Amino acid sequence: GEDVEQSLFLSVREGDSSVINCTYTDSSSTYLYWYKQEPGAGLQLLTYIFSNMDMKQDQRLTVLLNKKDKHLSLRIADTQTGDSAIYFCAESMTGGFKTIFGAGTRLFVKA
Amino acid sequence: GAGVSQSPSNKVTEKGKDVELRCDPISGHTALYWYRQSLGQGLEFLIYFQGNSAPDKSGLPSDRFSAERTGGSVSTLTIQRTQQEDSAVYLCASSLDEAKNIQYFGAGTRLSVL
Repeated sequence: GEDVEQSLFLSVREGDSSVINCTYTDSSSTYLYWYKQEPGAGLQLLTYIFSNMDMKQDQRLTVLLNKKDKHLSLRIADTQTGDSAIYFCAESMTGGFKTIFGAGTRLFVKA
Repeated sequence: GAGVSQSPSNKVTEKGKDVELRCDPISGHTALYWYRQSLGQGLEFLIYFQGNSAPDKSGLPSDRFSAERTGGSVSTLTIQRTQQEDSAVYLCASSLDEAKNIQYFGAGTRLSVL
């Protein structure tokens, strides 16, 4: 069945790069997403990638997609304390409404 | 509207009572979702509304849960005879672009069942 897995915690020092990893099971996934959740707030879309792309860069964010291994990663360059949050990986299929979310990776940024 | 609005932000109730949670989606968004987020868990899909189509209720955990969407806009999630295991954050999201399915989330309602 459909499943999205990610590690639960990541701790980095301010200024370092953070890499959050995700694996998914459904090879028919069309869009893959990274959402960010700050304390007491809902999820906010950070970025998304279409399945025919290998990489997408947006300022400090780099998304890498390995379709063969069904692996998605999010790299945050020059991580700041304001980046501390929970990051959710998610997948959805074309023409489908259903989006499958991972359990979220809690990123701690140490000053 | 400015964004997805949910009310109340917090709800404390006694076991066995009924609760209603409200969601105001972004104006013009045709799709609306309800999710449940328990501590340390991912988002559990509950129900999906799209336009005038029949909702997909496949994620509702029991018949104590129901939802409606009036006039294609505001939605209410009702939990009858609440149980302690219903304690969670209930998130609502709306979406405009069905192809990309980018969802915009409200801040959620934190439900505590004593």
